[in-house]
Amino acid sequence: NAGVIQTPRHKVTGKGQEATLWCEPISGHSAVFWYRQTIVQGLEFLTYFRNQAPIDDSGMPKERFSAQMPNQSHSTLKIQSTQPQDSAVYLCASSKRETLYFGSGTRLTVL
Amino acid sequence: EQQVQQSPASLVLQEAENAELQCSFSIFTNQVQWFYQRPGGRLVSLLYNPSGTKQSGRLTSTTVIKERRSSLHISSSQITDSGTYLCAENQGGSAKLIFGEGTKLTVSS
Repeated sequence: NAGVIQTPRHKVTGKGQEATLWCEPISGHSAVFWYRQTIVQGLEFLTYFRNQAPIDDSGMPKERFSAQMPNQSHSTLKIQSTQPQDSAVYLCASSKRETLYFGSGTRLTVL
Repeated sequence: EQQVQQSPASLVLQEAENAELQCSFSIFTNQVQWFYQRPGGRLVSLLYNPSGTKQSGRLTSTTVIKERRSSLHISSSQITDSGTYLCAENQGGSAKLIFGEGTKLTVSS
């Protein structure tokens, strides 16, 4: 069991470009979560899916962020027209019950 | 707005000393988890403790839901315990966890 896999580990984009981040949850886990971590804001909830259905996207900046879970083996977080303030570590987690298992994250740097 | 407060913000100990970390919530919750993160490392779940006292090795967590607080006790600290400890809670019925800012623990020899 490799745990939650996130790719890429690092991504650098220019301002205004698009970024797509990938997450492969642990097999058999029904819930997938996306968080963003910065030094200033700490860990911020973005969105989560249960059995591939979007349940709560209350943390998502509405205009440029979108998340999908097309099948049980992967989820994507897409950021359109990236801005410097989007620079952060984006974390994906999955769970079967209460305990969350996090991936290593994708460090996004927007120049 | 849901808030999770952790104290202290940082803690420096000598090896073998004990640590007591605190977490308080702004609203009632039914799920409390403690996580650990090394600098640049993955967030790792330490304990799930919705109420009462739960132990795992040198870690003991006590959650008092009515008082909206949880604590994490680390006994006989080791240098490898250094890192950030985060408390997280949900609002009853939601799987979404809200995290505190963390306590940065430094253990030296």
